Amino acid sequence: GDQVEQSPSALSLHEGTDSALRCNFTTTMRSVQWFRQNSRGSLISLFYLASGTKENGRLKSAFDSKERRYSTLHIRDAQLEDSGTYFCAAEIASSSFSKLVFGQGTSLSVVP
Amino acid sequence: DMKVTQMPRYLIKRMGENVLLECGQDMSHETMYWYRQDPGLGLQLIYISYDVDSNSEGDIPKGYRVSRKKREHFSLILDSAKTNQTSVYFCASSLLGLGYEQYFGPGTRLTVL
Repeated sequence: GDQVEQSPSALSLHEGTDSALRCNFTTTMRSVQWFRQNSRGSLISLFYLASGTKENGRLKSAFDSKERRYSTLHIRDAQLEDSGTYFCAAEIASSSFSKLVFGQGTSLSVVP
Repeated sequence: DMKVTQMPRYLIKRMGENVLLECGQDMSHETMYWYRQDPGLGLQLIYISYDVDSNSEGDIPKGYRVSRKKREHFSLILDSAKTNQTSVYFCASSLLGLGYEQYFGPGTRLTVL
């Protein structure tokens, strides 16, 4: 079944506003990565977290260190260039098999 | 500059033709991956390579094979391409396997007519 549930599937923000994306995992994950896919299709790596939080400019991500069952990506003061599709991807903690399981993405549109 | 490269970036082939997608990395990473992405979906794993000549099937290996003869190169081969293999293919690498960040290439958009 689906192991990574990403929400919302689509989001429209006005410039300057804040929002959060979320990924829920149906099983315990070892680590999580967040990506933005731009209009040309390139995957831009935003964060890699094995636990805790990381911040980079207006973006901040957190990975639940206790149960390791969800992660969030916060966008502060949204700008037009933040538009794109955001994916979370996680590695299953119990797996002996190295792979990322991807969510289905959040399509973000930032409007003036 | 840490980098994963993919060639070609765009490719159009006819059904039944052979396809070779190439991936390179300059980080001396042991583990490399091939994923495909279909419209509206996240990426799905096709194959993993843990080192030279040490390859394992991913979730959707049918219709594909891989080759890794040098640590820095990982090839994806489609023998007799099918129209349902039209997709965007991404290569990635990580220092080792489990528990390491994956670095992605820019993708190859393959169309099979």
